[in-house]
Amino acid sequence: QKEVEQDPGPLSVPEGAIVSLNCTYSNSAFQYFMWYRQYSRKGPELLMYTYSSGNKEDGRFTAQVDKSSKYISLFIRDSQPSDSATYLCAMTGTWGTLTFGKGTMLLVSP
Amino acid sequence: EAGVTQFPSHSVIEKGQTVTLRCDPISGHDNLYWYRRVMGKEIKFLLHFVKESKQDESGMPNNRFLAERTGGTYSTLKVQPAELEDSGVYFCASSPLGGQGLKDTQYFGPGTRLTVL
Repeated sequence: QKEVEQDPGPLSVPEGAIVSLNCTYSNSAFQYFMWYRQYSRKGPELLMYTYSSGNKEDGRFTAQVDKSSKYISLFIRDSQPSDSATYLCAMTGTWGTLTFGKGTMLLVSP
Repeated sequence: EAGVTQFPSHSVIEKGQTVTLRCDPISGHDNLYWYRRVMGKEIKFLLHFVKESKQDESGMPNNRFLAERTGGTYSTLKVQPAELEDSGVYFCASSPLGGQGLKDTQYFGPGTRLTVL
């Protein structure tokens, strides 16, 4: 069983749609959860960072963590074509190095 | 502020040759990480420097990989001799010690795409 599971997609949505991206994990030692966005031929860019269970909102983005279910989500409201990218969940514990999901490719069509 | 830079952006070499990848972290960042993404797989951790010291090299695949960080600034990752399975994208990331209250907020470079023929 992989430590972090993430559906690679692609996920295709029309502009303006609400997007839901998800990851599950198996290691209960993970305490810090991130979402990275990666455009083609670029490095991952940190989007959201959460520590505790619950929701965290930043503009059109909401990150949700449910530690009891070992499940994290990223919601994108009013999706735009510029949101088309690969979204990577990543997590770590006290040791600091990141464990990534495979990434979900998102395509937002105009 | 300049981000993490990596050189070269792309390298194509023959099996058995040597390749050296370079990473320049964000100025002042004491933590430096190397990661690798093999096609179809997730990004995986290779090793972690704190300043010039190797903190964790548990992800290094074998002894054909050698990483150094001279004077706690830039880092190099040498693959010698390269094998076909070494092909992938090698990412470098850096973060400040203490992380401004955020645990390990890592900033990634654009990656070096290595192709071994």
